[in-house]
Amino acid sequence: EIVLTQSPATLSLSPGERATLSCRASQSLYTYLAWYQQKPGQAPRLLIYDASKRAADIPARFSGSGSGTDFTLTISSLEPEDFAVYYCQQRSNWPPVLTFGGGTKVEIK
Amino acid sequence: QLQLQESGPRLVKPSETLSLTCTVSGDSINSRSFYWSWIRQPPGKGLEWIGNIYYSGGTDYNPSLKSRLTISVDTSKNQFSLTLTSVTATDTAVYYCATRRINYFEHWGQGTLVTVSS
Repeated sequence: EIVLTQSPATLSLSPGERATLSCRASQSLYTYLAWYQQKPGQAPRLLIYDASKRAADIPARFSGSGSGTDFTLTISSLEPEDFAVYYCQQRSNWPPVLTFGGGTKVEIK
Repeated sequence: QLQLQESGPRLVKPSETLSLTCTVSGDSINSRSFYWSWIRQPPGKGLEWIGNIYYSGGTDYNPSLKSRLTISVDTSKNQFSLTLTSVTATDTAVYYCATRRINYFEHWGQGTLVTVSS
């Protein structure tokens, strides 16, 4: 089973700063990686799919990059509403399983 | 706009069966665009994919839950359902229904907390 490792576990930043979140896979994913944002008491929201494609209505300050085993979510300039937990997620062909990383919490410094 | 709403008992006793239903609005459950999925999140922890069903009835299950899990679809009610047998406290979680494209989850329900306790 493919394991996704997210780092850092917590990122303490100020509004306006750049956030760089990492997701590393134990095997190559090609570009089958997605990113989600989750705020307290809410369902996750899809941000990025296929490693770099922004989902509908997601602001341009969110971008995804990477392929193979190393992926990055970048928030170019943090807005107050961006402080949340972020998860990466992959789909493997065999076994046909979808798994999530452990999450990165972006908190206000 | 596609919307999903989970419903079902919020409290289940240990060893009994957890049953949840997801009602789909804004699209037909016969749509070939999506796999209809369940995901859960224990309090304070991360996300775990449970499984999904396609319009044709085909299913994919998380191997860790497969022996206790059934996902079914009711096209007449535009709903799909989750049944998890022999629950324990470790099955306590917020359960989400979601639409899955092949590689990712696009739409999510608001989630429902199910507690396993006597």
